[in-house]
Amino acid sequence: DADVTQTPRNRITKTGKRIMLECSQTKGHDRMYWYRQDPGLGLRLIYYSFDVKDINKGEISDGYSVSRQAQAKFSLSLESAIPNQTALYFCATSDFGRNEQFFGPGTRLTVL
Amino acid sequence: TQLLEQSPQFLSIQEGENLTVYCNSSSVFSSLQWYRQEPGEGPVLLVTVVTGGEVKKLKRLTFQFGDARKDSSLHITAAQPGDTGLYLCAGANAGGTSYGKLTFGQGTILTVHP
Repeated sequence: DADVTQTPRNRITKTGKRIMLECSQTKGHDRMYWYRQDPGLGLRLIYYSFDVKDINKGEISDGYSVSRQAQAKFSLSLESAIPNQTALYFCATSDFGRNEQFFGPGTRLTVL
Repeated sequence: TQLLEQSPQFLSIQEGENLTVYCNSSSVFSSLQWYRQEPGEGPVLLVTVVTGGEVKKLKRLTFQFGDARKDSSLHITAAQPGDTGLYLCAGANAGGTSYGKLTFGQGTILTVHP
């Protein structure tokens, strides 16, 4: 079984809809991250959390919110989706004191 | 804001050729990582380099960290079609506002033709 799972894997939605992307991990890591990937832009950090009570904005947090429901679960919400939020979204985890990150398989989101 | 400039953005080569991907910054990183990503999957860590001047080898892949820890390179010898994918470099900082976060390069899409 995968250590980091994301649901859904694909989602098509309309402008203005609220969308939630979910991430679960079985690695026992405290730190979790949400990234967005666009062609030619690499991975850009949306939000990150170092433990259940810690939430931090990344470089592109506008239009997004997150919830850390448990050590193993970190969800990303788009309150009112817009077309330029069409992208690949990745969740990642890392262990305390280590920089290596472990990624989920990604969610492909299309906003029409 | 730290930036990592990765080049080239695209590489299309024939099987058996050698190639080098570069990752450059004006910032110093405590460590640098290289990831490989295949279509429909998330990035997977290939290697972490920590010490300035460090060289690590992973079969036909050679990774080098610059002496000043501002740049890195990935060299692939005798590329094979299985090497096709997106290669990402990522720099880590030990402290300050960048603590616990990675800065990613834009990625290099490598295509190796049989």
